[in-house]
Amino acid sequence: DQQVKQNSPSLSVQEGRISILNCDYTNSMFDYFLWYKKYPAEGPTFLISISSIKDKNEDGRFTVFLNKSAKHLSLHIVPSQPGDSAVYFCAASGWVQGAQKLVFGQGTRLTINP
Amino acid sequence: EPEVTQTPSHQVTQMGQEVILRCVPISNHLYFYWYRQILGQKVEFLVSFYNNEISEKSEIFDDQFSVERPDGSNFTLKIRSTKLEDSAMYFCASTPRGGANVLTFGAGSRLTVL
Repeated sequence: DQQVKQNSPSLSVQEGRISILNCDYTNSMFDYFLWYKKYPAEGPTFLISISSIKDKNEDGRFTVFLNKSAKHLSLHIVPSQPGDSAVYFCAASGWVQGAQKLVFGQGTRLTINP
Repeated sequence: EPEVTQTPSHQVTQMGQEVILRCVPISNHLYFYWYRQILGQKVEFLVSFYNNEISEKSEIFDDQFSVERPDGSNFTLKIRSTKLEDSAMYFCASTPRGGANVLTFGAGSRLTVL
């Protein structure tokens, strides 16, 4: 039961260009969405989030867009930098079946090429 | 910046052996979690813990798993009799309050079961 899906296991982008990472979810009870970034040998670190009452949240080079009707969110990184190379996990949070749940996608490995 | 620390960073064990993974959550956090990531797969929820008891657990968290907060600082995950399929990265996380969505993760403990 994959409630949160990241259909692209990997993405390669030229330095300076825009990186767009996508995520789809199935459960309409999710009301908060997050992106985590993970470097090798480290735990996931929080990057940016968005509440379901918004459709866009921006923080520096990072922007998250939420399309509730499509149950789709995306993370835009512009301009992309070599240090952005990492695995990015989308996560969705909400009260599901009486409990607060945080569900992760499978991750997308982003490689920024110089 | 406060961080979640995990030990050991890597443990190799024989199938059937008991393993204890240790975590020191951030000191003023009250909610603690274990997640795991099998190589190449998504980050999966195992268990959440609050007020010295399990608040929620997933289907993965069967009778072979247990968690404990033996003192005021450590939060441990015990696997009683390890199986090959328990090989994974195990991440501890904590949050200051319930319903908080932004988890702070540790760097993970890699468990290899031979």
